[in-house]
Amino acid sequence: IQMTQSPSLLSASVGDRVTLSCKAGQNINNYLAWYQQKLGEAPKLLIYNANSLQTGIPSRFSGSGSGTDYTLTISSLQPEDVATYFCQQYNSWYTFGAGTKLELK
Amino acid sequence: QIQLVQSGPELKKPGESVKISCKASGYTFTDYAMHWVKQAPGKGLKWMGWINTYTGKPTYADDFKGRFVFSLEASASTANLQISNLKNEDTATYFCARDALSGVMDAWGQGASVTVSS
Repeated sequence: IQMTQSPSLLSASVGDRVTLSCKAGQNINNYLAWYQQKLGEAPKLLIYNANSLQTGIPSRFSGSGSGTDYTLTISSLQPEDVATYFCQQYNSWYTFGAGTKLELK
Repeated sequence: QIQLVQSGPELKKPGESVKISCKASGYTFTDYAMHWVKQAPGKGLKWMGWINTYTGKPTYADDFKGRFVFSLEASASTANLQISNLKNEDTATYFCARDALSGVMDAWGQGASVTVSS
């Protein structure tokens, strides 16, 4: 299943509400996770089952969507949120999107 | 706390082999499957496959059948990835990741860098 993320690069200011998109090539039944990867680090799980917040992740992160279209929202961007964000489907095997790089404006 | 600690960087020549280890701690190793994920320099994440840590049965993604072998040292809570007949395109960071929920990867190793160069 192909996963398409947009935009590939996003510039935003501290305090902004940020929305990242992920589109699946077919219905993935909410089997969608989001990961954050900071430069030089391993990915970190943020969201699973499309909208369930992983333990220990700040509540400014939230996920939504259904069917083929999913969104990760950061309600108020913080400097430590600069990273690349990947979506991953696990409805049929496992595939990742190409990522959205989030930078500060 | 849950930790996955991977082996160090490797520099290899084309045609050689490499073995990467991933040592788990902080949980019962055989209760969770282990995934392997490849990240080429500057690129995204590519799922390589997973191994059932209870039975030892590996499953490989199509692009990783043949030269790639997943194995276990269960008594040492360690998963291994061996790559044979290395090619330049195998240059990447390889991550192990614990399977929390049918494909959700809730804990990751720090990554093991493999560079293939003549």
